Amino acid sequence: KNQVEQSPQSLIILEGKNCTLQCNYTVSPFSNLRWYKQDTGRGPVSLTIMTFSENTKSNGRYTATLDADTKQSSLHITASQLSDSASYICVVSDRGSTLGRLYFGRGTQLTVWP
Amino acid sequence: EADIYQTPRYLVIGTGKKITLECSQTMGHDKMYWYQQDPGMELHLIHYSYGVNSTEKGDLSSESTVSRIRTEHFPLTLESARPSHTSQYLCASSDVTGTDYGYTFGSGTRLTVV
Repeated sequence: KNQVEQSPQSLIILEGKNCTLQCNYTVSPFSNLRWYKQDTGRGPVSLTIMTFSENTKSNGRYTATLDADTKQSSLHITASQLSDSASYICVVSDRGSTLGRLYFGRGTQLTVWP
Repeated sequence: EADIYQTPRYLVIGTGKKITLECSQTMGHDKMYWYQQDPGMELHLIHYSYGVNSTEKGDLSSESTVSRIRTEHFPLTLESARPSHTSQYLCASSDVTGTDYGYTFGSGTRLTVV
């Protein structure tokens, strides 16, 4: 069964600190892995997207890594800000269907305190 | 700036009422999707469309229906709302490939059925 598991479920950090969120997946075949940021009551917004051949990608203070061999990804947030408080969702796409099926994790709820 | 729009943002409605959630995109995307998301849970695909006059049911069984008469418009209808329909509904669209490019979400509609 294709699955995407994220950890931790929730995380609280102080403003200015760094943090790393984890994503493990069993989706096969693999097309790409995306990280989304979802503010409360809003739709997800794309942060990064990585294909099989990419093992790191940055978007400002967000850096995602991908190990396609172990089927693991991480999202590292540097110098956190209050506005980083949100749910971070890992999404994996397979290559096996014309729909471009997306498999969603449940997200890590990040809270940044002042 | 999002190019996919959902209305209303919030809706509280009584049991048995008929409702339509609106979704429009200005990107000319062929593929459009409806997802349902409960708090702290992953997104579940309930409907999708490859193009005009094409609609399919997603992975999660839903009593809602959709239509795609125009490329830019993908409304979702509940003929008789029930408390079990209370959830967040997210609309998304993507280009032809769907897997790698331009997968964009709307801001969502928070539906409460009382």
